[in-house]
Amino acid sequence: QSALTQPASVSGSPGQSITISCTGTNSDVGGYNYVSWYQQHPGKAPKLMIYEVSNRPSGISNRFSGSKSGDTASLTIAGLQAEDEADYYCSSYTSISALVFGTGTKVTVL
Amino acid sequence: QVQLVESGGGMVQPGKSLRLSCAASGFTFSTFGMHWVRQAPGKGLEWVAVIWSDGSKKSYADSVKGRFTISRDNSKNTLFLEMNSLRAEDTALYYCARMWFPNPPDYWGQGALVTVSS
Repeated sequence: QSALTQPASVSGSPGQSITISCTGTNSDVGGYNYVSWYQQHPGKAPKLMIYEVSNRPSGISNRFSGSKSGDTASLTIAGLQAEDEADYYCSSYTSISALVFGTGTKVTVL
Repeated sequence: QVQLVESGGGMVQPGKSLRLSCAASGFTFSTFGMHWVRQAPGKGLEWVAVIWSDGSKKSYADSVKGRFTISRDNSKNTLFLEMNSLRAEDTALYYCARMWFPNPPDYWGQGALVTVSS
């Protein structure tokens, strides 16, 4: 099972919107609507930001939104803030193994 | 609130064994499956193993199959990862995470660091 493909880095200025892509196959992202996104600050555990492609857990800002088209899922952060600077990982249910993660994207707020 | 606390990490020589534990609280442990996920220093997340709520079904990543064993004690709300024949490439922060099938995990512990070095 290969990792899902994410860009290594994405950057934006405060207030801007950025989008992180997550590309898999029809055995994972493309085949199921069970894609989650995690935010990870340095030295901290991953935090669930989006589940089932586009749903936000309670307490997560509506500046974070998710979508999917074919084998690619996307996370959009609107109104970028300094606190959004972190690593972001996508993850998906997969028919091959139990779980697969993306390669990770470092978000930098300029 | 959901809490997951890993323990048992440390430094070990290649070829040796180590057992990690994950103490769960704040939810009915016996009704949830559990994952182990690891993160090598400066690297991304890698799924390691999963066990279903009653322990009847287990699955492993190819990289650890035959060397690692996941288990649980529902009477003690504790998850385990027995790691044998450890290699340098097993060096990582090991997280336990609550299964939210078929979604990826919802809650994560803070991790236990395992360093394999001579």
